[in-house]
Amino acid sequence: AQSVTQPDIHITVSEGASLELRCNYSYGATPYLFWYVQSPGQGLQLLLKYFSGDTLVQGIKGFEAEFKRSQSSFNLRKPSVHWSDAAEYFCAVGEQGGSEKLVFGKGTKLTVNP
Amino acid sequence: DAGVIQSPRHEVTEMGQEVTLRCKPISGHNSLFWYRQTMMRGLELLIYFNNNVPIDDSGMPEDRFSAKMPNASFSTLKIQPSEPRDSAVYFCASSLRGDRSSYEQYFGPGTRLTVT
Repeated sequence: AQSVTQPDIHITVSEGASLELRCNYSYGATPYLFWYVQSPGQGLQLLLKYFSGDTLVQGIKGFEAEFKRSQSSFNLRKPSVHWSDAAEYFCAVGEQGGSEKLVFGKGTKLTVNP
Repeated sequence: DAGVIQSPRHEVTEMGQEVTLRCKPISGHNSLFWYRQTMMRGLELLIYFNNNVPIDDSGMPEDRFSAKMPNASFSTLKIQPSEPRDSAVYFCASSLRGDRSSYEQYFGPGTRLTVT
């Protein structure tokens, strides 16, 4: 069965510092991979996605993620964090050619210190 | 585009009462998903529809939960009778099935349900 692991439940960074959120997946086929962000009291917003091709994908709000098949990882990065980036971040995986279901990780809550 | 619309945004009810959550997907989308989010279990898929037909309801916790999609622009999730353990945030999401972009799900703002 598909699974997604986000090892860090909570991360705190200072404003202006770099950020990396980890995501590992377990899946036999080639996955579709996503990062979503959820601000307090809001729904989930798509940050970026990987389907195929270039393994480094760019998203909104200055985020990027890199797909590493050998490590089954899809880590999210941002070179300089802004206070408005404080939110919860979810990694998700879907099955290419399969059902439309996505499996979500448990999320990483990001706190940004001034 | 108005995005996915959910109502009500907040619902407080007493144990044993019937609760109905509503969702209007993005116009033109043909797949609709209902999720439940709790601290303990994270984000769980309850059921999803394609072209108004339920495709996978394996995540529906028990018979007290039911979902319908009478037309392409409206879906309901009903809990009868409600229990305190049903307290959660319920999200609706929609997507356009047709190519790989169908995996992009767009979420509504959620309904926060509290059962006392």
